[in-house]
Amino acid sequence: NAGVTQTPKFRVLKTGQSMTLLCAQDMNHEYMYWYRQDPGMGLRLIHYSVGEGTTAKGEVPDGYNVSRLKKQNFLLGLESAAPSQTSVYFCASSYRLAGGRTYEQYFGPGTRLTVT
Amino acid sequence: KNQVEQSPQSLIILEGKNCTLQCNYTVSPFSNLRWYKQDTGRGPVSLTIMTFSENTKSNGRYTATLDADTKQSSLHITASQLSDSASYICVVSETVQSGNTPLVFGKGTRLSVIA
Repeated sequence: NAGVTQTPKFRVLKTGQSMTLLCAQDMNHEYMYWYRQDPGMGLRLIHYSVGEGTTAKGEVPDGYNVSRLKKQNFLLGLESAAPSQTSVYFCASSYRLAGGRTYEQYFGPGTRLTVT
Repeated sequence: KNQVEQSPQSLIILEGKNCTLQCNYTVSPFSNLRWYKQDTGRGPVSLTIMTFSENTKSNGRYTATLDADTKQSSLHITASQLSDSASYICVVSETVQSGNTPLVFGKGTRLSVIA
């Protein structure tokens, strides 16, 4: 049981390049999330998904796109990277309680992205 | 605006000593409060989750308290160890009718335990 895994662990991009971050979970969780963590700030939600085939915007969605084609995978795409997207990206997943409430979120190890 | 404020920003203590981290929040309506531990270069790991009706919850040497009236929580670490060196993040969840449950993250307290 690997939990939540993220690929890659590190990446350096030039401004304007594109890339996709992959998140995978083997806990059969309904909900999955993408966050970014910047120095001196709390984690901020980029996009999330409440189930296969569904996605929604979080607090800071601009410049990112996501897809949830399979329940276990959640992809985060940067179409045209900008230096402001230099950050550490965390994926998380959680199971769904009755009434749509969520419980504990399990986080991946993070992807450190630098855009030059 | 929903906010979570943590204090202190950073703390250095000697191994074996106790310490208490603070969290104040303005999130409403309140659903639950979580404390996470984040080691350097790793993702956050849950320590405790408390709902409105819970005043205290322990996880080994970690004890969290919650006062929903004053909207304050604390995390007490007993007999600190070098491995306790990490950032501790307070997270508050809103109550919603359906869909995603929004989480409001604090900026964390950076704890350093030295020998």
